[in-house]
Amino acid sequence: KNQVEQSPQSLIILEGKNCTLQCNYTVSPFSNLRWYKQDTGRGPVSLTIMTFSENTKSNGRYTATLDADTKQSSLHITASQLSDSASYICVVSDRGSTLGRLYFGRGTQLTVWP
Amino acid sequence: EADIYQTPRYLVIGTGKKITLECSQTMGHDKMYWYQQDPGMELHLIHYSYGVNSTEKGDLSSESTVSRIRTEHFPLTLESARPSHTSQYLCASSANPEGVKSYEQYFGPGTRLTVT
Repeated sequence: KNQVEQSPQSLIILEGKNCTLQCNYTVSPFSNLRWYKQDTGRGPVSLTIMTFSENTKSNGRYTATLDADTKQSSLHITASQLSDSASYICVVSDRGSTLGRLYFGRGTQLTVWP
Repeated sequence: EADIYQTPRYLVIGTGKKITLECSQTMGHDKMYWYQQDPGMELHLIHYSYGVNSTEKGDLSSESTVSRIRTEHFPLTLESARPSHTSQYLCASSANPEGVKSYEQYFGPGTRLTVT
């Protein structure tokens, strides 16, 4: 069964600190992995997208890594800001259909305190 | 920010009412999707469309129906709303699969539906 598991479920950090969110997946055949940020009451917004051959991708203070052998990814947030408070969702796409089916994790709820 | 819109943003309605959630995108994308998301849970695909006059059911069984008469418009309808339909509904779109970037799904802001 294709699955995406994220940890931790929730995380509280102080403003200015760094943090790392984890994602493990079993989706096969693998196409790409994305990290989305979802603010409360809003739709997800893409942060990074990585294919099988990419093992790191940065977007400002966000850096995602991918280990396709162990089927693990992480999202590192540097120098956190209050606006980083959101749910971060790991999403994996398979190559098994023309739809490019997406498998969603439940997200890590990040809260940044001043 | 992506040009994909959903209305209404919030809807509180009584049991048995018929409702239509609107979704429009101005990016000319062929593929459109409807997801259902409960608090703290993952998104579940309930409907998708490859293009005009194409509609398919997703992974999660849903009593809702969709139509795709125009490329830019993908409305979702519930003929008789029930409390179990209370959820957040997210619409998304993506372009033709020419490369990795084309699989990028752009999400609307969502509609929070409450059925009393």
